[in-house]
Amino acid sequence: QKEVEQNSGPLSVPEGAIASLNCTYSDRGSQSFFWYRQYSGKSPELIMFIYSNGDKEDGRFTAQLNKASQYVSLLIRDSQPSDSATYLCAVKTSGTYKYIFGTGTRLKVLA
Amino acid sequence: SQTIHQWPATLVQPVGSPLSLECTVEGTSNPNLYWYRQAAGRGLQLLFYSVGIGQISSEVPQNLSASRPQDRQFILSSKKLLLSDSGFYLCAWSVSDQPQHFGDGTRLSIL
Repeated sequence: QKEVEQNSGPLSVPEGAIASLNCTYSDRGSQSFFWYRQYSGKSPELIMFIYSNGDKEDGRFTAQLNKASQYVSLLIRDSQPSDSATYLCAVKTSGTYKYIFGTGTRLKVLA
Repeated sequence: SQTIHQWPATLVQPVGSPLSLECTVEGTSNPNLYWYRQAAGRGLQLLFYSVGIGQISSEVPQNLSASRPQDRQFILSSKKLLLSDSGFYLCAWSVSDQPQHFGDGTRLSIL
């Protein structure tokens, strides 16, 4: 059973701090990695995707991938109350059609 | 640019009634299409996916079915709804190993 695991949280950080969200996956054949943000009652919204080992930055967001250790993380710099949401990690193996989602980490940014 | 439309946004149905949810994608050809269900406070459960017209893969045996009558149209159906069918239904599309993109979802309540 291919799995993606995330700490359910809530992860509470003060406004302006760095929020660090982590995700581990079981399938070593995984090639594509995604982070989604989901506000309560809304659909998931893509934030970042990463395919290669290392860091990928987009604005306040940085995705980090370590395939040897099978983890992917999302850093949110200068966290804002509007970042409070559930963050879903998703993983896809090349040649398959299914995306495996974690159950999400709830982030609370305290003003 | 690509867009995904999903309707209705909210639906209240009695137990035993039929269901039809529709999803259409614009701006891309031959997308992979997906139906997910999300129970309150839970992760995404993959129900069906389709890689082409008339091709449906079922992930969870239940009283739901899916059809893809046209390249960019995906329909989720049921002949008789159960109380356990309540949830937030999400349609998504993707191409190859690119990220999935979600519709706005349908919140289904069964009475």
